[in-house]
Amino acid sequence: SQKIEQNSEALNIQEGKTATLTCNYTNYSPAYLQWYRQDPGRGPVFLLLIRENEKEKRKERLKVTFDTTLKQSLFHITASQPADSATYLCALWLYSSASKIIFGSGTRLSIRP
Amino acid sequence: KAGVTQTPRYLIKTRGQQVTLSCSPISGHRSVSWYQQTPGQGLQFLFEYFSETQRNKGNFPGRFSGRQFSNSRSEMNVSTLELGDSALYLCASSPGTAGPNEKLFFGSGTQLSVL
Repeated sequence: SQKIEQNSEALNIQEGKTATLTCNYTNYSPAYLQWYRQDPGRGPVFLLLIRENEKEKRKERLKVTFDTTLKQSLFHITASQPADSATYLCALWLYSSASKIIFGSGTRLSIRP
Repeated sequence: KAGVTQTPRYLIKTRGQQVTLSCSPISGHRSVSWYQQTPGQGLQFLFEYFSETQRNKGNFPGRFSGRQFSNSRSEMNVSTLELGDSALYLCASSPGTAGPNEKLFFGSGTQLSVL
């Protein structure tokens, strides 16, 4: 069966440390992978997109890697801050006759001061 | 530019009723997609409209339908509501011309409760 799994439902880390979130997938051939941030009561907000032929993408304190052999993406937030606390979702765009996006269940990240 | 606007923000209905949700995309965006978010199933794709035509569809029953108007505004309808339809319904817009290479801009959603 086709699945997307994000490493854990919740992750708690100390301010200033690097947060690493994992997105694993099986039985998909994604064309693109995106990461979104969602705050309570709000819609997701786009953060980063990485293509299947790209290994790494960076944006300020954010870094995403994409390993199509391992079928895994890692999302890093360096120098984490309490304001980074939110739920982070990975999303796969699939190759098919019609574009289709599949979201992971999300990881709730809490940064403690 | 104004963001994606969804109305109403909250809605309470009873089983068997029908409901219509509205979404106004960002100006200039021609693609509107709809999603259902629940604690158990996460965020699931319902369908996507582009230039008034349904371009993609997820795995939801026919009770879920939508349409898009010439000004790109979209509505989603759910008929014969069931308790399991209680969820946050999110709408997202994008220019719609670059396929998977586009980021989605989400609204804040409509929280539907079915009693």
